[in-house]
Amino acid sequence: DVVMTQSPLSLPVTLGQPASISCRSSQSLVYIDGNTYLNWFQQRPGQSPRRLIYKVSNRDSGVPDRFSGSGSGTDFTLKISRVEAEDVGVYYCMQSTHWPPYTFGQGTKLEIK
Amino acid sequence: EVQLVESGGGLVKPGGSLRLSCAASGFTFSSYSMNWVRQAPGKGLEWVSSINSGSSYIYYADSVKGRFTISRDNAKNSLYLQMDSLRAEDTAVYYCARDGWDLDPFDYWGQGTLVTVSS
Repeated sequence: DVVMTQSPLSLPVTLGQPASISCRSSQSLVYIDGNTYLNWFQQRPGQSPRRLIYKVSNRDSGVPDRFSGSGSGTDFTLKISRVEAEDVGVYYCMQSTHWPPYTFGQGTKLEIK
Repeated sequence: EVQLVESGGGLVKPGGSLRLSCAASGFTFSSYSMNWVRQAPGKGLEWVSSINSGSSYIYYADSVKGRFTISRDNAKNSLYLQMDSLRAEDTAVYYCARDGWDLDPFDYWGQGTLVTVSS
Protein backbone atom coordinates (compact mmCIF):
# COMPACT_ATOMS: atom_id res chain seq x y z
CA ASP A 1 0.00 0.00 0.00
CA VAL A 2 1.06 3.59 -0.65
CA VAL A 3 2.00 5.42 2.55
CA MET A 4 1.15 9.12 2.71
CA THR A 5 3.20 11.25 5.11
CA GLN A 6 2.15 14.78 6.01
CA SER A 7 4.12 17.52 7.71
CA PRO A 8 3.78 19.32 9.93
CA LEU A 9 1.14 17.54 12.00
CA SER A 10 0.35 20.74 13.86
CA LEU A 11 0.36 24.16 12.22
CA PRO A 12 -0.23 27.33 14.26
CA VAL A 13 -0.77 30.28 11.94
CA THR A 14 -1.46 33.97 12.48
CA LEU A 15 -4.62 35.29 10.80
CA GLY A 16 -3.82 36.76 7.40
CA GLN A 17 -0.53 34.89 7.10
CA PRO A 18 0.19 32.09 4.61
CA ALA A 19 0.23 28.41 5.50
CA SER A 20 1.73 25.40 3.78
CA ILE A 21 1.23 21.66 4.31
CA SER A 22 3.48 19.04 2.78
CA CYS A 23 2.41 15.56 1.70
CA ARG A 24 4.79 12.87 0.50
CA SER A 25 3.92 9.48 -0.94
CA SER A 26 5.97 6.30 -0.68
CA GLN A 27 5.82 5.87 -4.45
CA SER A 28 5.09 8.01 -7.47
CA LEU A 29 1.44 8.96 -7.87
CA VAL A 30 1.65 9.34 -11.65
CA TYR A 31 -0.89 6.98 -13.20
CA ILE A 32 -0.54 5.19 -16.55
CA ASP A 33 -2.85 7.80 -18.11
CA GLY A 34 -0.36 10.54 -17.20
CA ASN A 35 -2.54 12.08 -14.49
CA THR A 36 -1.59 12.33 -10.82
CA TYR A 37 -4.39 11.47 -8.44
CA LEU A 38 -3.62 13.42 -5.28
CA ASN A 39 -6.47 14.97 -3.32
CA TRP A 40 -6.81 17.32 -0.35
CA PHE A 41 -9.62 17.37 2.20
CA GLN A 42 -10.55 19.78 4.95
CA GLN A 43 -12.36 18.74 8.12
CA ARG A 44 -13.58 21.60 10.26
CA PRO A 45 -14.26 20.87 13.95
CA GLY A 46 -17.39 18.79 14.35
CA GLN A 47 -18.00 18.54 10.60
CA SER A 48 -17.68 15.95 7.86
CA PRO A 49 -14.66 16.08 5.58
CA ARG A 50 -14.92 18.25 2.49
CA ARG A 51 -12.84 17.87 -0.62
CA LEU A 52 -10.83 20.97 -1.56
CA ILE A 53 -8.50 19.83 -4.32
CA TYR A 54 -8.37 16.87 -6.72
CA LYS A 55 -5.71 15.79 -9.23
CA VAL A 56 -3.06 17.84 -7.44
CA SER A 57 -4.29 21.32 -8.30
CA ASN A 58 -7.97 21.35 -9.30
CA ARG A 59 -10.08 23.29 -6.83
CA ASP A 60 -13.55 22.02 -6.09
CA SER A 61 -16.56 24.23 -6.67
CA GLY A 62 -16.98 26.79 -3.91
CA VAL A 63 -13.44 26.46 -2.59
CA PRO A 64 -11.87 29.90 -2.10
CA ASP A 65 -8.99 30.72 -4.42
CA ARG A 66 -6.70 31.28 -1.44
CA PHE A 67 -6.36 27.47 -1.44
CA SER A 68 -3.96 26.02 -3.99
CA GLY A 69 -2.39 22.64 -4.60
CA SER A 70 0.87 21.84 -6.32
CA GLY A 71 3.47 19.14 -6.67
CA SER A 72 4.42 16.13 -8.72
CA GLY A 73 5.64 12.58 -8.41
CA THR A 74 5.88 11.99 -4.68
CA ASP A 75 5.93 15.52 -3.23
CA PHE A 76 2.84 17.68 -2.91
CA THR A 77 1.84 20.88 -1.15
CA LEU A 78 -1.38 22.56 -0.08
CA LYS A 79 -1.02 26.30 0.36
CA ILE A 80 -3.36 28.83 1.92
CA SER A 81 -2.34 32.31 0.81
CA ARG A 82 -3.93 34.16 3.74
CA VAL A 83 -5.39 32.13 6.59
CA GLU A 84 -8.87 33.05 7.79
CA ALA A 85 -10.64 31.94 10.98
CA GLU A 86 -12.87 29.54 9.02
CA ASP A 87 -9.79 27.62 7.84
CA VAL A 88 -9.25 26.08 11.29
CA GLY A 89 -9.47 22.31 11.15
CA VAL A 90 -7.60 19.21 10.03
CA TYR A 91 -6.31 18.79 6.50
CA TYR A 92 -5.73 15.41 4.88
CA CYS A 93 -4.03 14.42 1.66
CA MET A 94 -5.16 11.21 -0.04
CA GLN A 95 -3.89 9.27 -3.01
CA SER A 96 -6.24 7.65 -5.50
CA THR A 97 -3.68 6.48 -8.07
CA HIS A 98 -2.80 3.10 -6.58
CA TRP A 99 -6.12 1.88 -5.24
CA PRO A 100 -7.51 -0.13 -3.62
CA PRO A 101 -6.85 0.92 -1.00
CA TYR A 102 -7.24 4.67 -1.03
CA THR A 103 -4.75 5.94 1.56
CA PHE A 104 -4.81 9.13 3.59
CA GLY A 105 -2.11 11.09 5.32
CA GLN A 106 -2.21 11.38 9.12
CA GLY A 107 -3.78 14.81 9.00
CA THR A 108 -2.43 18.29 9.77
CA LYS A 109 -4.20 20.33 12.42
CA LEU A 110 -4.30 24.02 11.54
CA GLU A 111 -4.98 26.41 14.39
CA ILE A 112 -4.88 30.17 14.82
CA LYS A 113 -1.90 31.43 16.78
CA GLU B 1 -28.25 19.84 -4.21
CA VAL B 2 -26.38 16.62 -3.53
CA GLN B 3 -27.35 15.08 -0.20
CA LEU B 4 -26.09 11.95 1.50
CA VAL B 5 -27.75 10.93 4.77
CA GLU B 6 -26.38 8.02 6.77
CA SER B 7 -28.35 6.07 9.36
CA GLY B 8 -28.22 2.82 11.28
CA GLY B 9 -25.38 3.50 13.69
CA GLY B 10 -25.55 2.65 17.36
CA LEU B 11 -24.13 0.61 20.20
CA VAL B 12 -23.43 -3.06 19.52
CA LYS B 13 -21.58 -5.77 21.43
CA PRO B 14 -18.38 -7.33 20.09
CA GLY B 15 -19.25 -10.06 17.64
CA GLY B 16 -22.55 -8.41 16.79
CA SER B 17 -23.91 -7.01 13.53
CA LEU B 18 -25.17 -3.71 12.26
CA ARG B 19 -26.44 -2.46 8.90
CA LEU B 20 -25.72 1.10 7.84
CA SER B 21 -27.70 2.92 5.18
CA CYS B 22 -26.96 5.99 3.11
CA ALA B 23 -29.87 7.74 1.39
CA ALA B 24 -28.82 9.76 -1.64
CA SER B 25 -30.65 12.62 -3.35
CA GLY B 26 -29.97 15.52 -5.68
CA PHE B 27 -28.14 13.49 -8.32
CA THR B 28 -28.57 10.39 -10.50
CA PHE B 29 -27.47 7.84 -7.91
CA SER B 30 -27.34 4.94 -10.37
CA SER B 31 -24.57 6.67 -12.36
CA TYR B 32 -22.02 7.09 -9.58
CA SER B 33 -19.63 4.89 -7.64
CA MET B 34 -20.01 5.12 -3.88
CA ASN B 35 -17.83 4.53 -0.85
CA TRP B 36 -17.72 4.12 2.89
CA VAL B 37 -15.00 5.90 4.88
CA ARG B 38 -14.63 5.74 8.65
CA GLN B 39 -13.00 7.79 11.38
CA ALA B 40 -12.24 6.36 14.80
CA PRO B 41 -12.68 8.81 17.70
CA GLY B 42 -9.90 11.39 17.60
CA LYS B 43 -8.20 9.65 14.67
CA GLY B 44 -7.75 10.13 10.95
CA LEU B 45 -9.72 8.96 7.94
CA GLU B 46 -9.72 5.34 6.76
CA TRP B 47 -11.25 4.08 3.52
CA VAL B 48 -13.50 1.06 4.14
CA SER B 49 -15.18 -0.04 0.90
CA SER B 50 -16.18 1.00 -2.62
CA ILE B 51 -18.83 -0.11 -5.09
CA ASN B 52 -19.29 0.96 -8.69
CA SER B 53 -22.57 2.09 -10.21
CA GLY B 54 -23.68 -1.37 -11.34
CA SER B 55 -22.33 -3.28 -8.33
CA SER B 56 -19.97 -5.22 -10.59
CA TYR B 57 -16.82 -3.92 -8.90
CA ILE B 58 -16.55 -4.07 -5.12
CA TYR B 59 -13.48 -3.48 -2.97
CA TYR B 60 -12.73 -3.67 0.74
CA ALA B 61 -9.98 -2.60 3.07
CA ASP B 62 -8.05 -5.55 4.47
CA SER B 63 -9.22 -4.57 7.96
CA VAL B 64 -12.86 -5.35 7.11
CA LYS B 65 -12.59 -7.94 4.34
CA GLY B 66 -14.71 -11.01 5.09
CA ARG B 67 -16.72 -9.19 7.78
CA PHE B 68 -18.31 -6.22 5.98
CA THR B 69 -20.47 -6.26 2.84
CA ILE B 70 -21.20 -3.20 0.73
CA SER B 71 -24.28 -3.11 -1.49
CA ARG B 72 -26.60 -0.66 -3.17
CA ASP B 73 -30.16 -0.42 -4.42
CA ASN B 74 -30.30 2.00 -7.34
CA ALA B 75 -34.10 1.89 -7.40
CA LYS B 76 -34.12 3.18 -3.82
CA ASN B 77 -31.14 5.56 -4.23
CA SER B 78 -29.51 3.85 -1.29
CA LEU B 79 -26.10 2.53 -0.27
CA TYR B 80 -25.61 -0.03 2.48
CA LEU B 81 -22.89 -1.47 4.66
CA GLN B 82 -23.60 -4.76 6.42
CA MET B 83 -21.15 -5.10 9.28
CA ASP B 84 -20.75 -8.53 10.93
CA SER B 85 -18.37 -9.90 13.55
CA LEU B 86 -17.84 -6.39 14.85
CA ARG B 87 -14.78 -5.60 16.96
CA ALA B 88 -13.92 -2.79 19.33
CA GLU B 89 -11.57 -1.38 16.70
CA ASP B 90 -14.52 -0.90 14.32
CA THR B 91 -15.80 1.88 16.60
CA ALA B 92 -15.93 4.96 14.40
CA VAL B 93 -18.04 7.49 12.58
CA TYR B 94 -18.92 5.97 9.22
CA TYR B 95 -19.33 8.32 6.27
CA CYS B 96 -20.71 7.55 2.85
CA ALA B 97 -19.01 9.47 0.07
CA ARG B 98 -19.68 9.79 -3.64
CA ASP B 99 -17.10 9.53 -6.41
CA GLY B 100 -17.01 12.24 -9.05
CA TRP B 101 -17.11 11.72 -12.81
CA ASP B 102 -13.48 12.39 -13.58
CA LEU B 103 -11.72 9.67 -11.55
CA ASP B 104 -12.03 12.08 -8.63
CA PRO B 105 -13.09 10.31 -5.45
CA PHE B 106 -15.09 11.51 -2.47
CA ASP B 107 -16.47 14.73 -3.95
CA TYR B 108 -19.47 14.70 -1.60
CA TRP B 109 -19.77 13.32 1.94
CA GLY B 110 -22.62 12.60 4.30
CA GLN B 111 -22.76 13.77 7.91
CA GLY B 112 -21.75 10.37 9.25
CA THR B 113 -23.23 7.84 11.67
CA LEU B 114 -21.51 6.66 14.84
CA VAL B 115 -20.92 2.96 15.44
CA THR B 116 -19.78 1.97 18.92
CA VAL B 117 -18.68 -1.59 19.57
CA SER B 118 -18.50 -2.25 23.29
CA SER B 119 -19.65 -4.77 25.84
